[in-house]
Parts: sequence; C-alpha cells; structure tokens
Amino acid sequence: GENVEQHPSTLSVQEGDSAVIKCTYSDSASNYFPWYKQELGKRPQLIIDIRSNVGEKKDQRIAVTLNKTAKHFSLHITETQPEDSAVYFCAASNFNKFYFGSGTKLNVKP
Amino acid sequence: DVKVTQSSRYLVKRTGEKVFLECVQDMDHENMFWYRQDPGLGLRLIYFSYDVKMKEKGDIPEGYSVSREKKERFSLILESASTNQTSMYLCASSLSQLMNTEAFFGQGTRLTVV
Repeated sequence: GENVEQHPSTLSVQEGDSAVIKCTYSDSASNYFPWYKQELGKRPQLIIDIRSNVGEKKDQRIAVTLNKTAKHFSLHITETQPEDSAVYFCAASNFNKFYFGSGTKLNVKP
Repeated sequence: DVKVTQSSRYLVKRTGEKVFLECVQDMDHENMFWYRQDPGLGLRLIYFSYDVKMKEKGDIPEGYSVSREKKERFSLILESASTNQTSMYLCASSLSQLMNTEAFFGQGTRLTVV
C-alpha cells in the first residue's frame, strides 16, 4: 500500500515569515494530493489540492508543488499569520483510499 | 455544503463492551472511510467502503468491523473494546472512485475505553 511521510512534525515561525512542509509518497499510482488543515478541536478541512498532471498550484498565500519523478510534494505558506497556527496533513490518493502523513503542527508567533 | 455527521462527540466505554460509532453523510457520496487519529501518527485508515455492503480493510483493521447497509451511513464496530482503542475516530466521505475529489470529514468521536 501507499506510505506517506511528512516533515517536519513541528514548525515554529515568526508572523510574516514563510513556512514549508514536505511530504513523500511511495506509490507511483497515486495521482491526487490534498492538504488539510486541522484547527484545535475541529475537523480536518481541505485547503488546497493538486493532481498529478500539474506541477504547481497557488491560492493566495498558499501554494503546493509536486515532483512526480521524485515522489514528493510540498506546501508553502507565505506571509504567515497567527490564524495559520494548526496541524497540517498531506495525503496521497489513487481514486479511492486516502493515505495521510503524520501531520505538522505549525505555530505562528505574533 | 457537504455534511458528514458522527453520532457522538465523546464516548466512554468499558473494556470488553461492543461499541458502535455511526456516521452519516448527506451528499450521496459513494466512498466512506473510518480513520483513527493519534498524536504523532496522523490519520490511519481502518476501513473503507466504496458502495453499499462493500468494504475493504485499511492499514489497521484488527479489532474493528464495519457495516454499510445504506449509502449514506457507515458504522464502525469495536467488537470487544480494549484500552488501546482509546483514540479520536474520524469518519470521512468522498464522491466516487471514478473521480479524485476531496474527502470531507466528520467532527470526530473521542472514544475512551476504561
């Protein structure tokens, strides 16, 4: 089955700085890569996703890059704000099951 | 707006009890999932269903079973609860096996087995 590894497990940045979270996957058949944000006590919610036919996608301060050859994808958050503080999960999917990374706890210090 | 609803936010059960966790989605999604969330381990897939009465084991199915008698409802069953099943359980659904679209999550059930 698929194995998704996520780094770092915790990340602390100053407000306004950028944050980068990296994931690798093992199954070359995976073709959909969503990122979820989970605030304390709440359900995970999709913030951005990318499909295997695209190398990069951007939505305001959030961007995701995908390198299919190397089987890794990354989340980039620019101009971080305190409300970006949460746990972020990457995932890899091949039309049915979603396999998640272990999560990154992002702390944005005011 | 997709809604995935889990029947309980918090449950406390005794060791050996049979426990039912219920999940309902209202968007006619074909796929439904049960995940377990533990600190440092992320979300681990317990079971997956892509159709009524169809199920597939995930990565950690031991000690669990599932039931999907209707398309909108997916139940997770702990046959004989044990303390190592104390965890946060998340149900999710997604549209179809034919399309790669996001999974929508329920609010989670925090289960404590004493």
